[in-house]
Amino acid sequence: GPKVLQIPSHQIIDMGQMVTLNCDPVSNHLYFYWYKQILGQQMEFLVNFYNGKVMEKSKLFKDQFSVERPDGSYFTLKIQPTALEDSAVYFCASSWDNYAEQFFGPGTRLTVL
Amino acid sequence: QQQVRQSPQSLTVWEGETAILNCSYEDSTFDYFPWYHQFPGESPALLIAIRPVSNKKEDGRFTIFFNKREKKFSLHIADSQPGDSATYFCAASANSGTYQRFGTGTKLQVVP
Repeated sequence: GPKVLQIPSHQIIDMGQMVTLNCDPVSNHLYFYWYKQILGQQMEFLVNFYNGKVMEKSKLFKDQFSVERPDGSYFTLKIQPTALEDSAVYFCASSWDNYAEQFFGPGTRLTVL
Repeated sequence: QQQVRQSPQSLTVWEGETAILNCSYEDSTFDYFPWYHQFPGESPALLIAIRPVSNKKEDGRFTIFFNKREKKFSLHIADSQPGDSATYFCAASANSGTYQRFGTGTKLQVVP
């Protein structure tokens, strides 16, 4: 089936540093998402993105977070500065329409020390 | 505030039995209810989803039962197989289908 790729698979950084998580969504998809999952817990929606803009974001999408997809390249999640509580697996997802199936990438495990 | 509640937290059934996973929600504007499964170390994948225009949706061994009045929906896995062992998440969203609130998950184990 359609594949969403995420780079890197693991990232370890020191608290206060900046990190950029990269997502390569399915090629014809128009909606892009980021989710956060702390080990053993539920998925939590962070943000969705369509037509170059953030459509919706949750309370977890702090001011230190930003997303962009410049010129159809990677869909990125940037955290600047990072905090200890940002340690989690971040999943990117994409869909071709708003009610269509969201396809998830394999996740990036972020560890903030 | 947990907008989507899921139970049980874990469930063990014998091979061939029907596993029943339950979810409830608060927000009456929710109009899209997907179920995902997630195997250890992998990403979630959509299993089946329902819109409230119907009370039931079937796909092979998987059936969603939806009760709009009680704001509840459940996933029934018939003839459970060991390969069904995974964590199952329900979710709900409103208006656009894009902002999905997930339940806390049910860890299902199917014993041969």
